[in-house]
Amino acid sequence: AQRVTQPEKLLSVFKGAPVELKCNYSYSGSPELFWYVQYSRQRLQLLLRHISRESIKGFTADLNKGETSFHLKKPFAQEEDSAMYYCALRGVGTASKLTFGTGTRLQVTL
Amino acid sequence: ETGVTQSPTHLIKTRGQQVTLRCSSQSGHNTVSWYQQALGQGPQFIFQYYREEENGRGNFPPRFSGLQFPNYSSELNVNALELDDSALYLCASSSGGWETQYFGPGTRLLVL
Repeated sequence: AQRVTQPEKLLSVFKGAPVELKCNYSYSGSPELFWYVQYSRQRLQLLLRHISRESIKGFTADLNKGETSFHLKKPFAQEEDSAMYYCALRGVGTASKLTFGTGTRLQVTL
Repeated sequence: ETGVTQSPTHLIKTRGQQVTLRCSSQSGHNTVSWYQQALGQGPQFIFQYYREEENGRGNFPPRFSGLQFPNYSSELNVNALELDDSALYLCASSSGGWETQYFGPGTRLLVL
């Protein structure tokens, strides 16, 4: 079975402060991990995927297989980062279905 | 390039009724996945269609069924609606089973 856990429902940070959104997963194999973001009144969209190893909007995420984690990080939060963030997993041979966590709302305040 | 569209945007049904939700995939995409998102939860995989064939199914009862058409648009049908079926239904299309999924805006279903 595959499972994604996002322990925080809400994360509130000040503008300019570092951000870390936690994601832990359970999967017996080599998964593919993603972060999706949903800005207010917009549709769910891909932020980044671990195989790309790229930084999008200043966000990065490293897959740690030992700790089964894929935390999302940004060194300096911006107001426009306020959104709902979902971590998702795709396993091998699972019809490419995405298994999502329950999401973390990031609130960046002045 | 047209993105994923869904219709209707929202609807209200009563328990026991049937509902059909529609999804138009993004241009060039041949794969459609459907997800159910209950309030406060992440999206849950219902099933996926690839070139008009079901290509995997999540943990949903048979009263959830689907279709994909030759133009790769898709329908989600739910029979014998229950109160717990109230949710946001998301459709996502991709250019293959393992490619990036692009989501539509969703259809919000309320079952009374």
